[in-house]
Amino acid sequence: DIQMTQSPSSLSASVGDRVTIICRASQGIRNDVGWYQQTPGKAPKRLIYASSRLHSGVPSRFSGSGSGTEFTLTITSLQPEDFATYYCLQHSQYPFTFGPGTRVDIK
Amino acid sequence: QVQLQESGPGLVKPSQTLTLTCAVSGASMSSGDYYWNWIRQPPGKGLEWIGYIYTSGSTDDNPSLKRRVTISIDTSKNQFSLKLNSVTAADTAVYYCARDVRRHYASTGFDSWGQGTLVTVSS
Repeated sequence: DIQMTQSPSSLSASVGDRVTIICRASQGIRNDVGWYQQTPGKAPKRLIYASSRLHSGVPSRFSGSGSGTEFTLTITSLQPEDFATYYCLQHSQYPFTFGPGTRVDIK
Repeated sequence: QVQLQESGPGLVKPSQTLTLTCAVSGASMSSGDYYWNWIRQPPGKGLEWIGYIYTSGSTDDNPSLKRRVTISIDTSKNQFSLKLNSVTAADTAVYYCARDVRRHYASTGFDSWGQGTLVTVSS
C-alpha cells in the first residue's frame, strides 16, 4: 500500500494568514492527489484533485501543487470557515489511502 | 447535482453482518464513467477506503478488511450496497458512500459524498 504522511499534524493560525500543508507519498504517484476539508460532524468535501485542479465552487484562495512524492495545499488569506481538518488522498493505486489529517484551528 | 444518502441500522452485534445502502439521486448510476465507493471513519480518527463497485459489477476492496466486504449495485433502483461480515468493535465508524468520476480511465478522487451514517458494533 502507498503510505501518505502529512505535516504538520496541527497548526494554529489567524484569519488572513497564509497556510501551507504538505503531504508526502511513500512512492511516486504522478499527480494523483486530492485534498479534502472536513468540519466536525460533516462529510469531507473535495477541494483539489489531480494535485492542482480546483473542484467546482471552491474559492480560489485554495491551491494545490506537486508531483511524484511531495504535494502542497496552500490557503491564502485564511477565512473563518476554513478552520477544519484537511486530508490528502492518493488516487493513483488501490487501495486508495488518505493522509492522517492536519487540523487547522484558531490562534 | 448528484446526491448520495446512506441508510441502514445504527447498531450491529459483534460477529454479525453490517449492511448499508447508498441511494443516488440527480444522476443515473448506469450512465457516465463512475466508480461508486464506500469509505469509513472511526470516531475521532482518519479516513479509510473500503471498496468500490463499477456499473458493470466489477469490484475491489481494501485488503486490510480481510475479504469481509461485499459490494453490490442495483442500477434499476439507482443504489448500491455494502455488506461487512464478522464485525467487531473495531468496525464502529461513520460510513460514507462517495462517487469517483473517471476521466480518461483515471480516478479523480471522490467528488461527491453522502452525509455519513454512524454504525456502532456492540452487544
